[in-house]
This record gives sequence, C-alpha cells and structure tokens, in this order.
Amino acid sequence: AQRVTQPEKLLSVFKGAPVELKCNYSYSGSPELFWYVQYSRQRLQLLLRHISRESIKGFTADLNKGETSFHLKKPFAQEEDSAMYYCAAQGGSEKLVFGKGTKLTVNP
Amino acid sequence: NAGVTQTPKFQVLKTGQSMTLQCAQDMNHEYMSWYRQDPGMGLRLIHYSVGAGITDQGEVPNGYNVSRSTTEDFPLRLLSAAPSQTSVYFCASRKGGINEKLFFGSGTQLSVL
Repeated sequence: AQRVTQPEKLLSVFKGAPVELKCNYSYSGSPELFWYVQYSRQRLQLLLRHISRESIKGFTADLNKGETSFHLKKPFAQEEDSAMYYCAAQGGSEKLVFGKGTKLTVNP
Repeated sequence: NAGVTQTPKFQVLKTGQSMTLQCAQDMNHEYMSWYRQDPGMGLRLIHYSVGAGITDQGEVPNGYNVSRSTTEDFPLRLLSAAPSQTSVYFCASRKGGINEKLFFGSGTQLSVL
C-alpha cells in the first residue's frame, strides 16, 4: 500500500540550530514528492517539491531512493519556521498521499 | 483572484443531519479534491475530480458524496452526519499533472454532535 511516514509528531529546536524533518515513503515505482507547510492561521501551502530541486526559505529536501526517504533540512532554524509540516507523495494515480505531519517549534 | 474558496468556515450539525460543504476555484483548474484533517492522522483524501463530470474515491470516501458539474465547483455532501465526521475539511485544486502544486482553501471546521 502507498504510505508516507513522518516518524516525529513534534520537533523542537532552538533558533539558529539545524533542523531535519524526516519523511519515508513506501511506493512502487518512483513517486513525486512534496513538502507542504501550514503556518498558524494560514492555509496549507507548498514548500517545495523534489522535481524542482529548489531551496525555499532556506529549506532543502534530498531524495534518497535507497532509503526511500525525502527528509527536509535547514541549516539554521528561525522562529518563523514554526509550523506544521507535511510530507506528501504521488504515484501514477491522481491520489496525493500525505504523512501525518510534524509540528516544528523553533524556540528563541 | 480569490483562489480556492470554501464555505462555511464553521458548522455544527446534529447526528443524522445532512449538509453540503461548498468549494469553488477561479483558476480554471481541472483537478479538485477534498481532504479531511484529524489530529494525529494528517490529511486523508476523501474524493477527487480530474475534470467536470469525473469523480473518484480517495482513501476515506464512506459517508461522503461529490459531484462536478462545472470546472469551478466541487461540493462535498454529507448525507447523514456522524460524530466520526467531526473534522477540518480542506478543498484543494491544481492545474495540470501530478507534478503541479495543490492550492488549498482555508478549511471548514465541522462538528457533529
């Protein structure tokens, strides 16, 4: 079955510390991978997607096909990064499957 | 450009009541979908549509109906509400293929008593 796993429900770091939000996927073939973010009182929005190889707000995500992982990283966390982060994957069908989310808190 | 608009923002129902959650987008997106968000469960796909007249089931379709008579609108119907349907509901749309990003509505918080 298609599955996206985010093992950490909660993650707390201090401002300026590195942060890594973990995501593992279980799919046949090579799915498209995304990170979505929901800031407090804002809509869920795309942070980045693997196909674009982009860095958004200092975040990057590396695909490791061997480990079937797509971890989200930022070298120096900022307080405004505090949010709910969702990893998502889409295979050949039209169904985008989300993980359960990780709530990141960046403390001053 | 309003984007994806959901109404109502909040709703309280009694068990057994029916209602329709509205979703409209003005971006001419072919793809539209409904998710529910529950604590500890993330977002789960209820139904989706790849164009007018075409709908399909997601992960958790039971208890919900959808239709897509126009490109702009994708209403979600609860025929007989149950407490298990208490959740936050999000509508999302995108243009193009699976590589494209989803645009989300602001959500509807539904409580079924």
